[in-house]
Amino acid sequence: EPEVTQTPSHQVTQMGQEVILRCVPISNHLYFYWYRQILGQKVEFLVSFYNNEISEKSEIFDDQFSVERPDGSNFTLKIRSTKLEDSAMYFCATAGLAGPLDEQFFGPGTRLTVL
Amino acid sequence: ILNVEQSPQSLHVQEGDSTNFTCSFPSSNFYALHWYRWETAKSPEALFVMTLNGDEKKKGRISATLNTKEGYSYLYIKGSQPEDSATYLCAFIRYNFNKFYFGSGTKLNVKP
Repeated sequence: EPEVTQTPSHQVTQMGQEVILRCVPISNHLYFYWYRQILGQKVEFLVSFYNNEISEKSEIFDDQFSVERPDGSNFTLKIRSTKLEDSAMYFCATAGLAGPLDEQFFGPGTRLTVL
Repeated sequence: ILNVEQSPQSLHVQEGDSTNFTCSFPSSNFYALHWYRWETAKSPEALFVMTLNGDEKKKGRISATLNTKEGYSYLYIKGSQPEDSATYLCAFIRYNFNKFYFGSGTKLNVKP
């Protein structure tokens, strides 16, 4: 069964460093999402991406964050200068043709720890 | 701020019990509601995508209903089994936006 994969599974970084989280979507999916969950809190939407551009972003997704699909397969989330409060589990999710009306498939997540 | 609420926060039932929980969301500008099942140490798994008022969807022993006019959805599990133990999440999508608002989840524990 096709699945969404994410790397790395765990990333430890120093405050102020840049991190890139990677996601490989299911091959025929067109809609891509990043979410995060800070320990003990709700899952939070960060950004949605369709047709090689951002379709929606949340208030959290400020200039420190960026997304791209550099090679047509990977979908990446970059945090330019990490803060302590960026420590969270980051999930990538993808969906097919119907986008928000389609089932989302989640990757296993990347746990980001900022020291 | 758009709020999605789930209740109860947690639920402990015996194997064989039937159970239900609620997701409440804004009744205006509804587009879709997603239900997910999230087992510990795994990632959320899609259960249902609900779009129409009065929708009722079923997958095995799990079913869901939707009332967009009053802004709630119920998830039912008939004859709970220990393998149903998980957190059940809902997510609301507003019309014309590709942005998901999640509830806090209902954590279900089914005792054998």
